[in-house]
Amino acid sequence: SQTIHQWPATLVQPVGSPLSLECTVEGTSNPNLYWYRQAAGRGLQLLFYSVGIGQISSEVPQNLSASRPQDRQFILSSKKLLLSDSGFYLCAWSVGQGGWSGELFFGEGSRLTVL
Amino acid sequence: QKEVEQDPGPLSVPEGAIVSLNCTYSNSAFQYFMWYRQYSRKGPELLMYTYSSGNKEDGRFTAQVDKSSKYISLFIRDSQPSDSATYLCAMTTGGFKTIFGAGTRLFVKA
Repeated sequence: SQTIHQWPATLVQPVGSPLSLECTVEGTSNPNLYWYRQAAGRGLQLLFYSVGIGQISSEVPQNLSASRPQDRQFILSSKKLLLSDSGFYLCAWSVGQGGWSGELFFGEGSRLTVL
Repeated sequence: QKEVEQDPGPLSVPEGAIVSLNCTYSNSAFQYFMWYRQYSRKGPELLMYTYSSGNKEDGRFTAQVDKSSKYISLFIRDSQPSDSATYLCAMTTGGFKTIFGAGTRLFVKA
């Protein structure tokens, strides 16, 4: 069966510090991978998605970046965090068939607090 | 105007009640309509999805899509305390971008 792991679960970082959130998927090949951010009282905002190794599409211009160094690994990074980067970050995957591929499978999330 | 509007609640109902959750949207190109359930401090999980208009039933849950009114609903019959969660509507045209509502927090009291 497929599983998705996301870490760290909780992170408290000072403004201006770097960030690295990691996500790995097991039990499937060539998945589409996504990073979402969920702010309190707001819906999930798509930040990045990837259809393959090294292929990253950005939906929202900001100081975050994403990388996909391996087929089932997705990393969210920042060189310098802002207060506005605080939120609940969710990694997700879907079957990689091109176009809409159905269900999004989410990780447990990483709660980031920037102080 | 947001692409998807959803009342954040909270909605509090007694056990056994029928719950109605709704979303409106503005993009007539949306074709796939979904409901996700999210428990506190967890990632969302897909509850139901519907393609185009119509109804879909799965146990105690019924999803309805009215494309002419740009309105979708989720009904929960015989609600249980374990249904207490945030319910997120979501929709997509079929591409990689799924648009989520803000989520409605539901509390079912025993």
